[in-house]
Amino acid sequence: DQQVKQNSPSLSVQEGRISILNCDYTNSMFDYFLWYKKYPAEGPTFLISISSIKDKNEDGRFTVFLNKSAKHLSLHIVPSQPGDSAVYFCAGRSAGNKLTFGGGTRVLVKP
Amino acid sequence: DTGVSQNPRHKITKRGQNVTFRCDPISEHNRLYWYRQTLGQGPEFLTYFQNEAQLEKSRLLSDRFSAERPKGSFSTLEIQRTEQGDSAMYLCASSFDRESYEQYFGPGTRLTVT
Repeated sequence: DQQVKQNSPSLSVQEGRISILNCDYTNSMFDYFLWYKKYPAEGPTFLISISSIKDKNEDGRFTVFLNKSAKHLSLHIVPSQPGDSAVYFCAGRSAGNKLTFGGGTRVLVKP
Repeated sequence: DTGVSQNPRHKITKRGQNVTFRCDPISEHNRLYWYRQTLGQGPEFLTYFQNEAQLEKSRLLSDRFSAERPKGSFSTLEIQRTEQGDSAMYLCASSFDRESYEQYFGPGTRLTVT
C-alpha cells in the first residue's frame, strides 16, 4: 500500500530552467506535506513544506503546490542550478509526526 | 557540529549475527525516529520515541528488531539474527516536538548482511 508515490524516477533539466517534481498521495489524513533533498552519503535534508489547508507555499527558488481534490502536489524549482542535482523525496505527515515518503525523483541539472 | 550523528556509518556482518547501531539526536530534541531505506526506495518509518518512551512501532519492525532510548538521549537499534533482507540504510531523525514537523536526519548506517 503505497500511500505516497513519485512516478518519475528521474528528471534532467538545463541550468536556469524550471524543474517540476510531482507527487501523488492516497492518505487523506496527512496534515502536512514535506519535500526533502538528499545528496549521496548524506541524510535527507528538509527543503520546504505545505500545510494541507494551503494550496501554495513559496521559499526563494522553491514553490510547492497542493491540489487536495486531486491528492497531488508538486515542487517547482526555478531557476534550477547545478547544486540542485540530488534525489528529492516528498513525504506526508500523519499522527505522531510520522512521515511517509515517496520513492524519490533523481534530478540532474546540466550546466 | 550539532546535527544528528549515527555510528557506525557502515557495518558488514554475516547472516545470523547481531548488530547494534547508535543514534545521537540534536540535544534539545525530545522526539527521535528510526527509518529504513532500501535501494531505489524512500525511507520507511520503523519506530519513534518521545523522550524515553517508545510510542509507535511499524509492522516492518519484526521481533528481531529492538530499539531503546534510555534517559531520553541517544538511541540504539539492535537487529538480532540478521538476514540478507535486513541489508539497507538505517536512518535516524530527531525533532523538537509533535508540532515541529521538520525532522532532522543523520547520515545513516549502511548495513550489509552477507
